[in-house]
Amino acid sequence: GAVVSQHPSRVICKSGTSVKIECRSLDFQATTMFWYRQFPKQSLMLMATSNEGSKATYEQGVEKDKFLINHASLTLSTLTVTSAHPEDSSFYICSAPHRGGGSDTQYFGPGTRLTVL
Amino acid sequence: SQQGEEDPQALSIQEGENATMNCSYKTSINNLQWYRQNSGRGLVHLILIRSNEREKHSGRLRVTLDTSKKSSSLLITASRAADTASYFCATAFSEGGKLIFGQGTELSVKP
Repeated sequence: GAVVSQHPSRVICKSGTSVKIECRSLDFQATTMFWYRQFPKQSLMLMATSNEGSKATYEQGVEKDKFLINHASLTLSTLTVTSAHPEDSSFYICSAPHRGGGSDTQYFGPGTRLTVL
Repeated sequence: SQQGEEDPQALSIQEGENATMNCSYKTSINNLQWYRQNSGRGLVHLILIRSNEREKHSGRLRVTLDTSKKSSSLLITASRAADTASYFCATAFSEGGKLIFGQGTELSVKP
């Protein structure tokens, strides 16, 4: 089946630094990918839609200058958390839709746990 | 923004019992999906039901959708300890489009 990977799986950084998270579709092409954030014991919140070849679409309340998204190719989207602060510590998950069995199923990456000290 | 509410927030049952989780949403949808997440891990897609479908089965899973009430339910029959996880419903406005997740139900199945 379709596989989506994320790298790194876990990152710890100091406050004020920037962190880049990669999301790759390993065996299919994805013109669109989605980025979610999940705080402990909470649900997934959609942050933005990453579009290959064009600007990302951000959900209301998500700062586009803080969370930079680049969809450089049909298999790679990156999320850069700029000037990270402790409140940005969270579980970041990406997904990509892939048609199979007659429907577009979302395939999720394993997530990246970000801890900002 | 959250689209859906799920209840119960937490459910604890004995192995062998059935578990029912409910999800309500606010706007018209193309499809509704259920996912499972083990603690601190990624999501596993369980089942997708389209807006023109009323019921779907997959193994021990049964999903219903009532678009007039804007609600869905997930039934897990003959639960096992390995079913212990968080379960989320998610709605999509278009096929392959972004998903809006419900709050989730934390299921604990005791052996």
